[in-house]
Amino acid sequence: GQQVMQIPQYQHVQEGEDFTTYCNSSTTLSNIQWYKQRPGGHPVFLIQLVKSGEVKKQKRLTFQFGEAKKNSSLHITATQTTDVGTYFCAGRQAPYTDKLIFGTGTRLQVFP
Amino acid sequence: DGGITQSPKYLFRKEGQNVTLSCEQNLNHDAMYWYRQDPGQGLRLIYYSQIVNDFQKGDIAEGYSVSREKKESFPLTVTSAQKNPTAFYLCASRRQRQGAAENYGYTFGSGTRLTVV
Repeated sequence: GQQVMQIPQYQHVQEGEDFTTYCNSSTTLSNIQWYKQRPGGHPVFLIQLVKSGEVKKQKRLTFQFGEAKKNSSLHITATQTTDVGTYFCAGRQAPYTDKLIFGTGTRLQVFP
Repeated sequence: DGGITQSPKYLFRKEGQNVTLSCEQNLNHDAMYWYRQDPGQGLRLIYYSQIVNDFQKGDIAEGYSVSREKKESFPLTVTSAQKNPTAFYLCASRRQRQGAAENYGYTFGSGTRLTVV
């Protein structure tokens, strides 16, 4: 079945450093979404990417969808302590299905 | 404000007991989902429903059952057949829209932590 892997599993950074998490699918995706889950909380939707090679930005966050639509990345510039949490990618297999498969997540810890 | 309400927040289950987790949404969303989250394993899909009176199994449906009698409600029953039920259970909903590229992010409830005692 479809698998979505993320690396790294954990990342500890000093405040102000950059952070990147990578998401890789075993199958081609129709679209990919990113979520953030704060410690003890629930996932919160950040963004969706649909087009091959698409890049979207939200303030210090940059999201990219690979040309082959099998991988994606999230880059945070100049991390802040408020960025702490686990970041999940989630993809739908192409052709479109309603099943959203979540990646394994990357836990980000930011030290002040 | 619209949202998803999950209850209870914490639940303790004895061996061999069935328990039901509640999920209610007032967002007028068509689709609803149940996920299970274990430490270090991300979210795994248990069941999902796109319309009332219809639902489909996800990747780990064994030992679980659901119903969708109302658009607003999607309760999950963890049966005694589920051998390792201790986990964090998340309910989510999504506004449905036609077309592969046009869909929306999930709105999650705050979750129920189930522990077997």
